[in-house]
Amino acid sequence: GENVEQHPSTLSVQEGDSAVIKCTYSDSASNYFPWYKQELGKGPQLIIDIRSNVGEKKDQRIAVTLNKTAKHFSLHITETQPEDSAVYFCAATETSYDKVIFGPGTSLSVIP
Amino acid sequence: EPEVTQTPSHQVTQMGQEVILRCVPISNHLYFYWYRQILGQKVEFLVSFYNNEISEKSEIFDDQFSVERPDGSNFTLKIRSTKLEDSAMYFCASSIPSGSQVTGELFFGEGSRLTVL
Repeated sequence: GENVEQHPSTLSVQEGDSAVIKCTYSDSASNYFPWYKQELGKGPQLIIDIRSNVGEKKDQRIAVTLNKTAKHFSLHITETQPEDSAVYFCAATETSYDKVIFGPGTSLSVIP
Repeated sequence: EPEVTQTPSHQVTQMGQEVILRCVPISNHLYFYWYRQILGQKVEFLVSFYNNEISEKSEIFDDQFSVERPDGSNFTLKIRSTKLEDSAMYFCASSIPSGSQVTGELFFGEGSRLTVL
């Protein structure tokens, strides 16, 4: 089955700097890669996603890149703000309504 | 904005007791899920449910677990005989609005924390 790895497990950045989180997946059949943000005491919330027919997607300060050959995908957050502090999970799935396999998470702290 | 609601927010139970966690998915969604998150660890898939039956389940979802959609709104997870290792946050999620383009987004509830003593 699918296995998703994620690095780093913790990340501290100064406000205004960029943050990058990297993930790898094992199942070449996976073709949908969402990113979820989990704030303390809440359920995960989708922030951006990418499908395998696209190499990069951007939404304001957030961008995701996908290298399907290498089975890598990354989340980039620019101009970080304190409210970006949360746990971020990458995930992969073969079909967008199928089970979603999550990575272990990255705890991001943005220091004012 | 429509949201997934879960009850109870926290339940404490004795080992061996039965527990039912309840969820009200977003009303026009078609797929329903249970995930769990042991404290500080990854979010793990348990089961997906579509058209009133289980569509997929993980190896975690053994005979002690069951799901049900007893009416048109509730979606429940039952653990028949709880074990210490069942202590976790259980998240319900729903997805795929009917009649719209498939987006893939999972909408999660705020979770039910289960503590087994």
